[in-house]
Amino acid sequence: SQTIHQWPATLVQPVGSPLSLECTVEGTSNPNLYWYRQAAGRGLQLLFYSVGIGQISSEVPQNLSASRPQDRQFILSSKKLLLSDSGFYLCAWSVGRQVSGNTIYFGEGSWLTVV
Amino acid sequence: AQSVSQHNHHVILSEAASLELGCNYSYGGTVNLFWYVQYPGQHLQLLLKYFSGDPLVKGIKGFEAEFIKSKFSFNLRKPSVQWSDTAEYFCAVLSGGSYIPTFGRGTSLIVHP
Repeated sequence: SQTIHQWPATLVQPVGSPLSLECTVEGTSNPNLYWYRQAAGRGLQLLFYSVGIGQISSEVPQNLSASRPQDRQFILSSKKLLLSDSGFYLCAWSVGRQVSGNTIYFGEGSWLTVV
Repeated sequence: AQSVSQHNHHVILSEAASLELGCNYSYGGTVNLFWYVQYPGQHLQLLLKYFSGDPLVKGIKGFEAEFIKSKFSFNLRKPSVQWSDTAEYFCAVLSGGSYIPTFGRGTSLIVHP
């Protein structure tokens, strides 16, 4: 069966410091990968998605970036964190090359507090 | 572009009360529909989904949802809620040909024991 792992689970970082959140998916090949952010009372915001290695699409312009160095690895990064980057970050995956009946499955999330 | 509306932002119920959470979407073509649940401090888990066939879909933990195409709706129901159902509920819609779902803003459900 497929599993998704995301780490770290909790992170407290000072303003201006870098960020790296990692996500890996097991049990499937060439998945679609997603990074979402969830701020209190604001629902889910899609940040990035990827349909393959090195293919990243950004939904929201900001100081975050994403990379997909391997088929089942998705990394969210920042060179300098802002206070507004605080939130709950969720990695997710869905079956690649399947546009009908595609279900998104979420990782356990990473709580980021920028202080 | 697809949009998803969850009309109830906050719902407070007592145990054993019936629940119905509304979800409406805007795109009129082929859609796949989902409800996710997020328990306090946890990630989103799939509650149920509709792709085709019987418009009444049964999910985990006694939840069900009905797809009414003419009303662009996919409301979530449970005949008798429990304290453990306290959570945030998200409706999501995947339009035909897309692999990026559109999420509603969520409904916070609090169930008092």
